[in-house]
Amino acid sequence: DIQMTQSPSSVSASVGDRVTISCRASQDVSTWLAWYQHKPGRAPQLLIYSASYLQTGVPSRFSGSGSGTHFTLTISSLQPEDVATYYCQQAKDFPPLTFGGGTRVEIK
Amino acid sequence: QLQLQESGPGLVKPSETLSLTCTVSGGSISTTTYYWGWIRQPPGKGLEWIGSLYYNGRTYYNSSLKSRVTISEDSSDKQFSLTLSSVTAADTAIYFCARQEFGGSWHFDSWGQGTLVTVSS
Repeated sequence: DIQMTQSPSSVSASVGDRVTISCRASQDVSTWLAWYQHKPGRAPQLLIYSASYLQTGVPSRFSGSGSGTHFTLTISSLQPEDVATYYCQQAKDFPPLTFGGGTRVEIK
Repeated sequence: QLQLQESGPGLVKPSETLSLTCTVSGGSISTTTYYWGWIRQPPGKGLEWIGSLYYNGRTYYNSSLKSRVTISEDSSDKQFSLTLSSVTAADTAIYFCARQEFGGSWHFDSWGQGTLVTVSS
């Protein structure tokens, strides 16, 4: 199975800062990649699909980029409500599909 | 608006079978546009895909669980279920059901809140 590695595992930033999360695939997944936001006790929320497409209703401060083996999720201006864990997910040649290990975002 | 809700026992004994149901409101699982999946999150760990169901009964499973897992559609077109046999403490997790886009990044665009299942005697 394709392995997904996220970095960093956690990040602490100030309100208004730009936050970047990396996701690397163990092999080429083209743009078959999605990003999710998960807050404890809540349903995970789809942010980005097909590497760079913003899901309807998601604030424009979230953006995704990359293709092949390296992907990035960017929060352009961190807000208090963005405190959560973020996961990438690949589905090249589904099945299977695999998630990254997660990146916890906190406010400094 | 589509909503999904997981239900089932919160406590299962080791070696027994875990059974959960996902109820879909505001939509139907009898659609060619989506798959319907189960994902779990063990305490303190990340997300793990369990498997996915298509309206025609086609299923795909995580190879690490394939021998123990079954996902099926219930008699109505509003519910689908998960069974996991021979559970151990390692199966303790929050279990989520979700709607999965057909094709592309096969992403999950709507999720339930999740239900905690603890495996303990």
